[in-house]
Amino acid sequence: SQKIEQNSEALNIQEGKTATLTCNYTNYSPAYLQWYRQDPGRGPVFLLLIRENEKEKRKERLKVTFDTTLKQSLFHITASQPADSATYLCALVGAGGGNKLTFGTGTQLKVEL
Amino acid sequence: NAGVMQNPRHLVRRRGQEARLRCSPMKGHSHVYWYRQLPEEGLKFMVYLQKENIIDESGMPKERFSAEFPKEGPSILRIQQVVRGDSAAYFCASSLPIPGVSNYGYTFGSGTRLTVV
Repeated sequence: SQKIEQNSEALNIQEGKTATLTCNYTNYSPAYLQWYRQDPGRGPVFLLLIRENEKEKRKERLKVTFDTTLKQSLFHITASQPADSATYLCALVGAGGGNKLTFGTGTQLKVEL
Repeated sequence: NAGVMQNPRHLVRRRGQEARLRCSPMKGHSHVYWYRQLPEEGLKFMVYLQKENIIDESGMPKERFSAEFPKEGPSILRIQQVVRGDSAAYFCASSLPIPGVSNYGYTFGSGTRLTVV
């Protein structure tokens, strides 16, 4: 069956360090992959989109990599700040799957002073 | 430029009543999606609609749940004869026709928290 897996354990890091979150998928041929941020009681907020033919995408302190051989995406936040504390969601649109976006369960990130 | 508007933010219904959740997509977006999120769980896809058409309803329960996106007005997610297990946050999102072509993702609303008592 199709699965999108993110580390269910919360990630605690110190301010200023780089946070790295992992998204692994099975039985998907994704057309593209997206990362979202979700704060408690709020809807997800779009961060970055990376296509199947792209290896890396950057936006300010954020970087996403996409390895279709390993079936994995890594999401990095450099120079992390307490304001980066949130749950980060990985989501896929499968090739031939129309616009249906399927989410992983998310990883909670806590950046400590 | 308002984003995706959902109302109400909170909805309390007694078992057996009907719940109607509304979603107005972002200006310029013609595609609407509904998701359900249970406490401590991920977002589960329910249905994807364009104006007057249901494109993919593979995540919708077969009974009691329905969705529409009329030519005029907001998209509506309707839950008939609610049960306690329907208590959840329901999120609506909207997008351009082919999100992967641009670098824009989906825009989500703030959700409707449904509580069935």
